[in-house]
Amino acid sequence: EDQVTQSPEALRLQEGESSSLNCSYTVSGLRGLFWYRQDPGKGPEFLFTLYSAGEEKEKERLKATLTKKESFLHITAPKPEDSATYLCAVTRRDDKIIFGKGTRLHILP
Amino acid sequence: KAGVTQTPRYLIKTRGQQVTLSCSPISGHRSVSWYQQTPGQGLQFLFEYFSETQRNKGNFPGRFSGRQFSNSRSEMNVSTLELGDSALYLCASSSGQRETQYFGPGTRLLVL
Repeated sequence: EDQVTQSPEALRLQEGESSSLNCSYTVSGLRGLFWYRQDPGKGPEFLFTLYSAGEEKEKERLKATLTKKESFLHITAPKPEDSATYLCAVTRRDDKIIFGKGTRLHILP
Repeated sequence: KAGVTQTPRYLIKTRGQQVTLSCSPISGHRSVSWYQQTPGQGLQFLFEYFSETQRNKGNFPGRFSGRQFSNSRSEMNVSTLELGDSALYLCASSSGQRETQYFGPGTRLLVL
């Protein structure tokens, strides 16, 4: 069965303490992998799309990477405003999308 | 460019009632997808519409239905509401069949 697993479920970091979030997937026919950020009470906000192993994308303090089995979202020197739930999703070749349950990130000032 | 808008933002219903939620996509976007988000199950795909046709459907019972109008606006209907239908219902739009989806703020439905 296709699935997307994110780890850890929750992560508390001090401001400036870099870390990585993991998204591992088992999908037949991966078409693309997406990262979203979701703040409480709001809809997910698009961050990155990755299509092939080895691909990397960066935006401010965030960097997403993709391998054949997993993706990492690296957060460098995070600030309190980076606190949010980060969601990973994969789309299959039949265009169906599967979301992971997310990682709740809390950055302490 | 205005983002995806959803109405209403909050809704309280009782078991057995039905509800209709509305979504207006980003101007120019022709694909609209609906999702249910709960603390236990996370984000689950309901269905996707493209040019007024349902293109994909998730594993939800027939009580959940939707439609899309010629202006790409979409509605989702849930009939015979159950307590377990309490959730945040999210709509997302994209410009094409395989493009990045942009989400609205959601409609929070509480079923009593």
